Amino acid sequence: KAGVTQTPRYLIKTRGQQVTLSCSPISGHRSVSWYQQTPGQGLQFLFEYFSETQRNKGNFPGRFSGRQFSNSRSEMNVSTLELGDSALYLCASSFYLRQGQSLNYGYTFGSGTRLTVV
Amino acid sequence: GENVEQHPSTLSVQEGDSAVIKCTYSDSASNYFPWYKQELGKRPQLIIDIRSNVGEKKDQRIAVTLNKTAKHFSLHITETQPEDSAVYFCAASRDSGTYKYIFGTGTRLKVLA
Repeated sequence: KAGVTQTPRYLIKTRGQQVTLSCSPISGHRSVSWYQQTPGQGLQFLFEYFSETQRNKGNFPGRFSGRQFSNSRSEMNVSTLELGDSALYLCASSFYLRQGQSLNYGYTFGSGTRLTVV
Repeated sequence: GENVEQHPSTLSVQEGDSAVIKCTYSDSASNYFPWYKQELGKRPQLIIDIRSNVGEKKDQRIAVTLNKTAKHFSLHITETQPEDSAVYFCAASRDSGTYKYIFGTGTRLKVLA
């Protein structure tokens, strides 16, 4: 089973530009979540998509947006880039399965896209 | 707001000793607590998780304990090995069908040979 695929792996952009990152989840996983990882702030939740709908959103400005397609692939976009947006952007795909009284989560991270804003 | 505090931020232990990392969460509705290990340059990987209906879970050298009253959970690694060296993150989440994880800020564990 292929893992979570994020493209591109590395990206260098200039302040003021915009960027689009892509995430292809594990086959069968319908939920995709995005996180920003920085040395000082750790892993911070950006948003989560399920069946093409944003179900949850973190505390990031409106410059950060995302979407999910019918095949569950997701993109996130950052407009008007700032130096502070330099980070590793991770996506995680997951399933949610209720088996009797137990719930099973699968949360697998991709390798991330390292964005550098200069 | 929702918050997870994690301590210590760095931890050095001798090979063979035990390591303990502690987390405290603020959202009393949280009931799922995973731990992730991230090696340098790699993705975070789930190593163990616990749900609020149990107080302890063990998997070989790794164990996690949960105290819901105190909103506190801990990771215990016994007989540490050099390959345990990594950054460890705790997280808390609600069992609501959404996948918003609130992560701690991480603990850099160094196992000295």
